[in-house]
Amino acid sequence: TQLLEQSPQFLSIQEGENLTVYCNSSSVFSSLQWYRQEPGEGPVLLVTVVTGGEVKKLKRLTFQFGDARKDSSLHITAAQPGDTGLYLCAPVPLGTSYGKLTFGQGTILTVHP
Amino acid sequence: DTEVTQTPKHLVMGMTNKKSLKCEQHMGHRAMYWYKQKAKKPPELMFVYSYEKLSINESVPSRFSPECPNSSLLNLHLHALQPEDSALYLCASSRDPRRQETQYFGPGTRLLVL
Repeated sequence: TQLLEQSPQFLSIQEGENLTVYCNSSSVFSSLQWYRQEPGEGPVLLVTVVTGGEVKKLKRLTFQFGDARKDSSLHITAAQPGDTGLYLCAPVPLGTSYGKLTFGQGTILTVHP
Repeated sequence: DTEVTQTPKHLVMGMTNKKSLKCEQHMGHRAMYWYKQKAKKPPELMFVYSYEKLSINESVPSRFSPECPNSSLLNLHLHALQPEDSALYLCASSRDPRRQETQYFGPGTRLLVL
């Protein structure tokens, strides 16, 4: 069983600040997905990173996959109240059973106006 | 249309009741999932259906009984639940069960067991 750590668990910041969320493991992943879940909704996929060292940008969100494909980060620039939600990483281990998503512990982000 | 719908939105039931949760998608997806989510925690996988057949059961107690009547519908039948089963139950679907693809989640059913 892989050890997966997502941090921080809680993040409360002011509008305009920057933040980074981390997803780390000792295992190598074939890919990793990041989801955001807003209150009262189901999670929504933000991005999938596949290649070691890959960087993907989604407006003010920057996602990075570690060179060794064991870790990933999500950086938000100039956070806005609309970014508030639960951020979840979901790594896909090598040789995984298809469809079996295992989420990290999640980061609850609150952005105050 | 990338929508997964779930009914009811909220459900309160006693420990002796029998109820069902319903999930529907019309995206032609052939993989469907049930997750359980406690407050401030990530979703936990319960069941996976591939081509209308149960392919993964994450050791879920038998008081939860899934059913996939056709490729668009997924039900979760509930019987003799415990208060600790109170949670948000999320349904999701993805296009191809043979690939690790985007899962589209419904808004969930918030269940309270008294």
